[in-house]
Amino acid sequence: QVQLQESGPALVKPSETLSLTCTVSGDSIDRHTHYWTWIRQPPGKGLEWLGYIYYSGSTFYTPSLRGRVTISLDSSYKQFSLKVTSVTTADTAVYYCATIEMTTDRIDYWGQGTPVAVSS
Amino acid sequence: DIHMIQSPSSLSASVGDRVNITCRASQDIKNYVVWFQQKPGKAPKSLIYAASTLEVGVPSRFSGSGSETDFTLTITSLQPEDFATYYCQQYDDYPLTFGGGTKIEI
Repeated sequence: QVQLQESGPALVKPSETLSLTCTVSGDSIDRHTHYWTWIRQPPGKGLEWLGYIYYSGSTFYTPSLRGRVTISLDSSYKQFSLKVTSVTTADTAVYYCATIEMTTDRIDYWGQGTPVAVSS
Repeated sequence: DIHMIQSPSSLSASVGDRVNITCRASQDIKNYVVWFQQKPGKAPKSLIYAASTLEVGVPSRFSGSGSETDFTLTITSLQPEDFATYYCQQYDDYPLTFGGGTKIEI
């Protein structure tokens, strides 16, 4: 059973970089069976998938945010991270880290989510 | 990207009602659809995957159907704990995409 916990600043200024970390417990972050992924949800709106990273370091990002989003992996600390650059108020959202089971491409575990507001 | 059009965006219902939520994909996604339930302040919870397979522990009043581009989530005999927002999501191709959500209100 995988447990995921997001952490990071709750407030980011416009044009700055949003940085979040997801700490993994209950299983190895080096497992070859899952992608490590981020999903966000603006207040009162729907869910947006941002991208994933595999244990090998390979990544895939949603095209609408490609160039602004980076996901990285730190196996030694059992963490993976999200960076979104040049943020605007449109990036205000609850950010979830999650896992995708590789053979099915289904999202199977979620963190509880962390709210991030972009405001000056 | 594969677009998922979900309807209605909201509906009012009563305990005991039967509810249908539909999701239309912009291209054939076979049966690669998940239905999630989300309550305020919580992460989404998977109810159904592969369009019609119930997750372990999910009550049998929930069911899913459909294939290719048209999918339906049905809740028979709505219960008080079912008042929530529901999302469809396709996993046929990346990027993964979600429907806009359906909020079921009393």
